[in-house]
Amino acid sequence: DGGITQSPKYLFRKEGQNVTLSCEQNLNHDAMYWYRQDPGQGLRLIYYSQIVNDFQKGDIAEGYSVSREKKESFPLTVTSAQKNPTAFYLCASSVDRSENEQFFGPGTRLTVL
Amino acid sequence: GQQVMQIPQYQHVQEGEDFTTYCNSSTTLSNIQWYKQRPGGHPVFLIQLVKSGEVKKQKRLTFQFGEAKKNSSLHITATQTTDVGTYFCAGGYGNNRLAFGKGNQVVVIP
Repeated sequence: DGGITQSPKYLFRKEGQNVTLSCEQNLNHDAMYWYRQDPGQGLRLIYYSQIVNDFQKGDIAEGYSVSREKKESFPLTVTSAQKNPTAFYLCASSVDRSENEQFFGPGTRLTVL
Repeated sequence: GQQVMQIPQYQHVQEGEDFTTYCNSSTTLSNIQWYKQRPGGHPVFLIQLVKSGEVKKQKRLTFQFGEAKKNSSLHITATQTTDVGTYFCAGGYGNNRLAFGKGNQVVVIP
C-alpha cells in the first residue's frame, strides 16, 4: 500500500524489446520481492533481495534480471528471452529477511505486442 | 518446490451466508499468512499465524492454523459485498521467502 510505488501502471512493448519496471519504497525495508501474477496462477516469485547489493532467483527467474544498488529501489528488467512476458507484475517489500508480512505496490500490467 | 494448495479455487457466496477457504501444505510451515486482493487491486496483508493450533479473529473473519502446522483456514461469517476478492494464503518454510497459493476467488451474490 502506501510507501511502495510502481511505475508505470500500464506498459506496452513490442516483442523483442527489453523493458524495465520500476519499484521504489520509502519504508526503510531491507527485503524486496518481485512477483508475477497470471489468471489462476496466483503469485509466482521471480527474484528477491534481502539486502542491498544482493539478490536471489525465485521460482521463475528465467528471462528476467534485477539489481539492488540502493535500499529503496529494486528494478526488474523483462528481457527478450522471456517467452511469455505479458502479465501483471507486483513488487513487495518486508521489514527484514525473515518471513514477515509483505507490503505490495499497486502493480504494473505489462502487455507485449 | 515448496508450495501451498488452496481449495476451493472459486466460490460464489450469497450475501449474508458464511464460507470457508482452506490452505494445505505437504510439509510443516514456520508460519502462515493470509492476504486479500480486491478486483483490480494488489494483495493486502490480513494476518499471520505462527503457533500450532492458533486461532485469531478479526471481526467477521476467523483464521486457524492447524495443530501440525500444515494447514490453515479462513472462515468469514455473514458475508458482505465488500468481501469480494481473491484470498491468498502464503506459507513460510524457514527459508526467508513465502510460497503463495493460487488463491480463492470469491464472488458475492447480492
